[in-house]
Amino acid sequence: ETGVTQTPRHLVMGMTNKKSLKCEQHLGHNAMYWYKQSAKKPLELMFVYNFKEQTENNSVPSRFSPECPNSSHLFLHLHTLQPEDSALYLCASSQESGSYEQYFGPGTRLTVT
Amino acid sequence: GENVEQHPSTLSVQEGDSAVIKCTYSDSASNYFPWYKQELGKRPQLIIDIRSNVGEKKDQRIAVTLNKTAKHFSLHITETQPEDSAVYFCAASEEAGSYQLTFGKGTKLSVIP
Repeated sequence: ETGVTQTPRHLVMGMTNKKSLKCEQHLGHNAMYWYKQSAKKPLELMFVYNFKEQTENNSVPSRFSPECPNSSHLFLHLHTLQPEDSALYLCASSQESGSYEQYFGPGTRLTVT
Repeated sequence: GENVEQHPSTLSVQEGDSAVIKCTYSDSASNYFPWYKQELGKRPQLIIDIRSNVGEKKDQRIAVTLNKTAKHFSLHITETQPEDSAVYFCAASEEAGSYQLTFGKGTKLSVIP
């Protein structure tokens, strides 16, 4: 399954570090999403980009900063995270935002120490 | 915003029996209801979806029913097999703004051989 790829697959970072998660889709889609998956809140939507424009920010703390330079790439920049931010971060894409099937990447397992 | 409730949180069935997972939603304007399956350690994948102009949809052993009046929809799996063991997520799409998917908390289905 290579439609949506994410790097790195695993990341351990300290609370003072700065790191970035990368997502790339090879499906020709125009919408991309970041989700946080944890035991407490499975599949929690964080950000939505449609045609490179951010259309949704679900009250996500500013220590998470998304970037979408083009329709195929999506980044999540991380800065001064907290231990409770440890989770699986999933990227997804769809033809457009709306009632279309979302294709998920394999996720990045993030641990904040 | 939309709120999706999913029950039960865990479900165990004997191989060959049927499994039913139920979801309710709050936004009467929602018109798209997908179901995703996430096997252990893997990404979520769409297994079936239904739109509000249809009451029922079937795909081999999987069926979904929708009751718009009551604002609930259900996933039915017949003749369950061990490979059906996974976490299943229902979702609903808002009919305004960015059409984001709101997911239920998931049901962990275990099929006992």
